[in-house]
Amino acid sequence: ETVLTQSPATLSLSPGERATLSCRASQSVSSDLAWYQQKPGQAPRLLIYGASNRAPGISARFSGSGSGTDFTLTITSLEPEDFAVYYCQQRRNWPPGATFGGGTKVEIK
Amino acid sequence: QVQLVESGGGVVQPGRSLRLSCAASGFTFSNYGMHWVRQAPGKGLEWVSVVSSAGTVTYDGDSAKGRFTISRDNSKNTLYLQMSSLRAEDTAVYYCAKEGDGSPYSFDLWGQGTLVTVSS
Repeated sequence: ETVLTQSPATLSLSPGERATLSCRASQSVSSDLAWYQQKPGQAPRLLIYGASNRAPGISARFSGSGSGTDFTLTITSLEPEDFAVYYCQQRRNWPPGATFGGGTKVEIK
Repeated sequence: QVQLVESGGGVVQPGRSLRLSCAASGFTFSNYGMHWVRQAPGKGLEWVSVVSSAGTVTYDGDSAKGRFTISRDNSKNTLYLQMSSLRAEDTAVYYCAKEGDGSPYSFDLWGQGTLVTVSS
């Protein structure tokens, strides 16, 4: 099973600052990595798929990069609505199960 | 509109069974693999199980093996999760999720979740 490790666990930033979130895989996942945002009481929302492709309707201030085992989600100029928990996730052809990282909480400093 | 709506959650005693449903609308349900993902209170996301678009292939995570059964009825646009021998550690919000249009390895549509509480 591929283990995803996210860092840091918590990121304390101010609105307008840049956020850089990391996700490391225990083995190569090629570019098959996605990022989700989750706010309290809500379902996760897909932000990025295929490591670097923004999902429809997602703001351009969200960008993803990386391949293989090291991935980054960058949020340029944090807006108040961006303070949330972010998860990375991978899935392959076989076995078809998915794994999620432990999450990074982006909180207001 | 395009949505997934879960139902069937509630309070159940340890060792009992429960069936969750997920009603899909606004897209061609039979074209997509579907998944269940759960989240224990205050914890992260845990993938549970997947069923292929035709319902012929299923695969379970370790937490579901031998106790949970995923299935679907494409004529009713509905996904199911039959859970048995429930334990306290199965307490969680259960989400159904659709494989993505951009990539089948991501989930581009989620339901609002249904809470399962296993307690005596």
